[in-house]
Amino acid sequence: SQQGEEDPQALSIQEGENATMNCSYKTSINNLQWYRQNSGRGLVHLILIRSNEREKHSGRLRVTLDTSKKSSSLLITASRAADTASYFCATVRGDSWGKLQFGAGTQVVVTP
Amino acid sequence: DAMVIQNPRYQVTQFGKPVTLSCSQTLNHNVMYWYQQKSSQAPKLLFHYYDKDFNNEADTPDNFQSRRPNTSFCFLDIRSPGLGDAAMYLCATSRAQGIAEAFFGQGTRLTVV
Repeated sequence: SQQGEEDPQALSIQEGENATMNCSYKTSINNLQWYRQNSGRGLVHLILIRSNEREKHSGRLRVTLDTSKKSSSLLITASRAADTASYFCATVRGDSWGKLQFGAGTQVVVTP
Repeated sequence: DAMVIQNPRYQVTQFGKPVTLSCSQTLNHNVMYWYQQKSSQAPKLLFHYYDKDFNNEADTPDNFQSRRPNTSFCFLDIRSPGLGDAAMYLCATSRAQGIAEAFFGQGTRLTVV
């Protein structure tokens, strides 16, 4: 069953702007991961944040995790046209035998 | 230097005709996943392996089966494909159950005619 809900479903921005998307989940987790998917392709891992971490950075990406609110956010700074993709959060529940389950995703379009 | 390889990239099968999708990996990861992804939807977990220990999701249709003969290879069998099984099928691997990133193949796009 789907674990995460993402918000917004779609986001359209111009190059140079920041893009923020949110993920909420329902149960306790071991970690939360963000992935990117270009149209018609496989998913690419972006960042993993553990349940005892609150914030992580990787290049132009910043991820936060609030376990009390069961939510996470992904911020892409200074977006580029190449960032156009769908972004998914995925959670691993503490009791789930390590299963990685995805949210509905946010479709991001960055226009030059 | 592809690490998770899915074959074929595109597969067309007839309604009701068994089809097998394959996945191989060069990462020597213990964990393998099969996901089904329909258009504009989230990947849906079908099966999950840790080594040869196998777990299928409660809502994975009986029409779907999976085999993992060794660490490197994993197969998804659809016994009698229906039109509703048309989707992208994604294979992924991970070095550890749920505590490490997953590496995805490029997927197999299945069309049922």
